[in-house]
Amino acid sequence: NAGVMQNPRHLVRRRGQEARLRCSPMKGHSHVYWYRQLPEEGLKFMVYLQKENIIDESGMPKERFSAEFPKEGPSILRIQQVVRGDSAAYFCASSRQADYGYTFGSGTRLTVV
Amino acid sequence: SQQGEEDPQALSIQEGENATMNCSYKTSINNLQWYRQNSGRGLVHLILIRSNEREKHSGRLRVTLDTSKKSSSLLITASRAADTASYFCAVPNFGNEKLTFGTGTRLTIIP
Repeated sequence: NAGVMQNPRHLVRRRGQEARLRCSPMKGHSHVYWYRQLPEEGLKFMVYLQKENIIDESGMPKERFSAEFPKEGPSILRIQQVVRGDSAAYFCASSRQADYGYTFGSGTRLTVV
Repeated sequence: SQQGEEDPQALSIQEGENATMNCSYKTSINNLQWYRQNSGRGLVHLILIRSNEREKHSGRLRVTLDTSKKSSSLLITASRAADTASYFCAVPNFGNEKLTFGTGTRLTIIP
C-alpha cells in the first residue's frame, strides 16, 4: 500500500507560469482534500473532492486556482499565472469516508521565482 | 469557523518527561483528531476520538475529550527525542466533514 502519492516533491516556477500538482489517493479512498501550508503556520483548507465532483472549494482563491479529481487518474491542483505569494507547501490527503482520519502525502513544495 | 486551537504554541521538555498539549474548538463535533508533523514532512494521523468517547490510548499517547468544555488534550508519556515535531488538532466542519486544523504546538524534546 503506497499511501498518498504526491508529485513532484519540489516544483520551481517563474512568475506567470502554470503549476500542476498531482495527488494519487490511497487505494480504496474516494475523498481527496488539498491544503496549503506556509512556513511555521498550520494547514489551510483549499478544496475537498470526490470522484468527478467538487464537494467544497470554499478555501480556493477565486482566480487562477482550480482542482479536479477525474474518474481515472490522480487529482490535480492547477495554479495558473503563479505569483510569489503562491510559494508554499501543498499537501494532499485522502480518506475512505468523510468521518475517518486522513492520510497525508509528503507534499509538493512550490517555489515561485 | 470550527478551527481547533492548540495551546501552548511551543513546548520544550527533557527527554523522559511527559508532554501535554491542549486543543479548544467552537461548536459541536462528532470527532476530533490529532496529527503530528515532522519538519518538512506531511502530517501523520495519531488518534481519532469520537464525541461519545472521553479517553483513548495508543501506545504512549493518551487523548481526552471534554465536549462540555469543547476541549481535548494530548498527553505523550515518557517522551523521546523522536517525538520532536509539531502537533495539530483537527475538527470536522459540520456538514461535509472537511477537517480544519489549528496552528499547532511545536514540541521539542531535549536529550
